[in-house]
Amino acid sequence: GENVEQHPSTLSVQEGDSAVIKCTYSDSASNYFPWYKQELGKRPQLIIDIRSNVGEKKDQRIAVTLNKTAKHFSLHITETQPEDSAVYFCAASRNAGNMLTFGGGTRLMVKP
Amino acid sequence: NAGVTQTPKFQVLKTGQSMTLQCAQDMNHNSMYWYRQDPGMGLRLIYYSASEGTTDKGEVPNGYNVSRLNKREFSLRLESAAPSQTSVYFCASSPHGVSDTQYFGPGTRLTVL
Repeated sequence: GENVEQHPSTLSVQEGDSAVIKCTYSDSASNYFPWYKQELGKRPQLIIDIRSNVGEKKDQRIAVTLNKTAKHFSLHITETQPEDSAVYFCAASRNAGNMLTFGGGTRLMVKP
Repeated sequence: NAGVTQTPKFQVLKTGQSMTLQCAQDMNHNSMYWYRQDPGMGLRLIYYSASEGTTDKGEVPNGYNVSRLNKREFSLRLESAAPSQTSVYFCASSPHGVSDTQYFGPGTRLTVL
């Protein structure tokens, strides 16, 4: 089955700096890669996703890049703000499959 | 729309007790999921229902059963709870399978003593 590894497990940045979280996946047939944000005590919520037919996607301060050859994808947050502090999860699935496999999560702390 | 709702929010069980976690969605989604979240291990899929009338095992199904009661409701049952099942349980739904956005419920914090 699919295996998704996520690094780092914790990340501390100063407000205004950029943050990068990286994930690798094992199943070359995976073609959907979402990112979820989970604030303390809350439910996970989708913040951005990318499909294998594109290499990069942006939404305001958030971007995701995908390298299919190397089987890794990354989340980039620019101009970080204290409200970006949360746990971020990457995930991967294949179109014909029925399982979304999550990485172990990254706790991002943005210091004011 | 309420989105995805779960009951109860908190539950404490003794080893060997049984209980059912309830989940409902009002978004007319076809697919529903049950995950457990343990510290440092992300979200792991327990069972899923790709569409009404079907259920399948996920990554960690042992000790659990599910019922897709109708299109709206998907319940998770623990027949004989064990301390290893102490976790936060999330229900989720998506319009058409895993390559759609999954919408999560608020979670149930379960402690098994």
